[in-house]
Amino acid sequence: KAGVTQTPRYLIKTRGQQVTLSCSPISGHRSVSWYQQTPGQGLQFLFEYFSETQRNKGNFPGRFSGRQFSNSRSEMNVSTLELGDSALYLCASTHGSGGSETQYFGPGTRLLVL
Amino acid sequence: KQEVTQIPAALSVPEGENLVLNCSFTDSAIYNLQWFRQDPGKGLTSLLLIQSSQREQTSGRLNASLDKSSGRSTLYIAASQPGDSATYLCAVRVTGNQFYFGTGTSLTVIP
Repeated sequence: KAGVTQTPRYLIKTRGQQVTLSCSPISGHRSVSWYQQTPGQGLQFLFEYFSETQRNKGNFPGRFSGRQFSNSRSEMNVSTLELGDSALYLCASTHGSGGSETQYFGPGTRLLVL
Repeated sequence: KQEVTQIPAALSVPEGENLVLNCSFTDSAIYNLQWFRQDPGKGLTSLLLIQSSQREQTSGRLNASLDKSSGRSTLYIAASQPGDSATYLCAVRVTGNQFYFGTGTSLTVIP
């Protein structure tokens, strides 16, 4: 089975622009979660989608949004980029139920905001 | 709010040594706890998952324990190798599918 894929792998944007990142989960996985990783804050949960619906949301401003398509692929969008949005954005798909959920992570998209 | 802490933040050991990484969490109402490793600039690789009803899990040279009541987990690595050098993260799953991650322990195994 192919793993979780994320595109693009690297991105450079300037302040005020917007960006869209894409994540394709492992085949058969219906849950996709997004995380932001920075040296200062570590890994922080952004949101989780399941069957095209946002099921959980972390503590990020409304500039961060996402969606999930019927094939479980997910996108996240960040509008009006700020310097502090520079980070590694990780996507994870989840398999299993009843407390046995294992998260499988993609390689991440490294975003640099200038 | 759940807070996850990992100690130490960095660790350097000679090859062959056994070592223990620590993870603590503030709210014992968790579904499971997962240990990951992350290589520089890469995503996370799942190592072990312990369900809330379990006490430990083993995979090869790795053994993870969970004491939910005291909010602690340990990852034991036996006979460390240079290839074990990476950052190790623990994460707890709370309600829904939300995970809280620790800040990580950066491990260097010296040949």
